[in-house]
Amino acid sequence: NAGVTQTPKFQVLKTGQSMTLQCAQDMNHNSMYWYRQDPGMGLRLIYYSASEGTTDKGEVPNGYNVSRLNKREFSLRLESAAPSQTSVYFCASRGDPEAQYFGPGTRLLVL
Amino acid sequence: AQRVTQPEKLLSVFKGAPVELKCNYSYSGSPELFWYVQYSRQRLQLLLRHISRESIKGFTADLNKGETSFHLKKPFAQEEDSAMYYCALSTGGGNKLTFGTGTQLKVEL
Repeated sequence: NAGVTQTPKFQVLKTGQSMTLQCAQDMNHNSMYWYRQDPGMGLRLIYYSASEGTTDKGEVPNGYNVSRLNKREFSLRLESAAPSQTSVYFCASRGDPEAQYFGPGTRLLVL
Repeated sequence: AQRVTQPEKLLSVFKGAPVELKCNYSYSGSPELFWYVQYSRQRLQLLLRHISRESIKGFTADLNKGETSFHLKKPFAQEEDSAMYYCALSTGGGNKLTFGTGTQLKVEL
């Protein structure tokens, strides 16, 4: 099992550009999550999907959209990137009664 | 609202010394608490969760509901323990995690 995978590993964008971060899990988990990690702030939840077909906002959803494409895949889209969105993005998945398992992260730099 | 506090940004100890990483939480319901570890530029890995009461890599953590704490302890620090440690609280529908700001543990020789 690959666990949770994310693409790309690293991306540089210019302000105003759009991009989609991809996440997939092969553990048959129902719940999936997107976090951003910033120095001194820990990880903050952007969006989550408790099950296929549902999505909900987390703590910092502004500027992002998500799609739960199927049970395996959960994508995060930045429609118009801003320098404040420079961060490391982590996807995670969870199957009851397990803990959350994380992907390797995507480093995003917005110039 | 739920909150997780890790008061130390950086904790530096010598190899072989005891380690205690502090974590306090605020939550009105029944908490489910976790410790995650992140080695340099890698993904977060689950270290332990309070309901399993396991000891992983020599680390233990006890939930103290009276003091609303879940401190992580290890009797003898090893060089390979150097990493960022996050305490997290699972709450609500969707089992969302609320993370603390993390403590960087540095084990010196």
